Amino acid sequence: NAGVTQTPKFRVLKTGQSMTLLCAQDMNHEYMYWYRQDPGMGLRLIHYSVGEGTTAKGEVPDGYNVSRLKKQNFLLGLESAAPSQTSVYFCASSSQFFPAQGARVLRGYTFGSGTRLTVV
Amino acid sequence: SQQGEEDPQALSIQEGENATMNCSYKTSINNLQWYRQNSGRGLVHLILIRSNEREKHSGRLRVTLDTSKKSSSLLITASRAADTASYFCATSLPNTPLVFGKGTRLSVIA
Repeated sequence: NAGVTQTPKFRVLKTGQSMTLLCAQDMNHEYMYWYRQDPGMGLRLIHYSVGEGTTAKGEVPDGYNVSRLKKQNFLLGLESAAPSQTSVYFCASSSQFFPAQGARVLRGYTFGSGTRLTVV
Repeated sequence: SQQGEEDPQALSIQEGENATMNCSYKTSINNLQWYRQNSGRGLVHLILIRSNEREKHSGRLRVTLDTSKKSSSLLITASRAADTASYFCATSLPNTPLVFGKGTRLSVIA
């Protein structure tokens, strides 16, 4: 059981280049997320998906696009990379459960090991 | 913003001591979670506490939640050098993704 796999692990781009980050999970999770982590900023949500064929914007979506064509994959695209997109990108996935009382609860997230992207 | 804010930003203790980290947040939440991140690695889920729970334990971890004060604490007992990591709290509202705080950097000195 590999969990969440991110590719590539490292990448250097020139300003204006494009690339796609791939996230794959083998846990049959409904929900998938892309976060970026910058020094002193914690993790910020870029986009997320609540199921195959769905996507939604997070806190910092500008400059990124996503697609969830298959349940197990969540792709993050940078159409025209900028130095401000230099960051570590983390993909995560989660499932949910419905307690006897109270609202639906999402389980803990499973994170990938990250992609370190440098835009020069 | 519902974002949790951890306190302290950094903590250094001796092996065997207890480590306490706090998280405060601003809005009502559905649940609160704690994660650990070792340097250069992804985050690892530690514990989830629902808004109607006050305390949970998992091994050497103890988490409390006080919804009236909008705060949570993570206690690591008998710390080890391997506990050296950053610890994040994360909160969520119903049907919304987790929002992470900026983390506490814990250093456990052998």
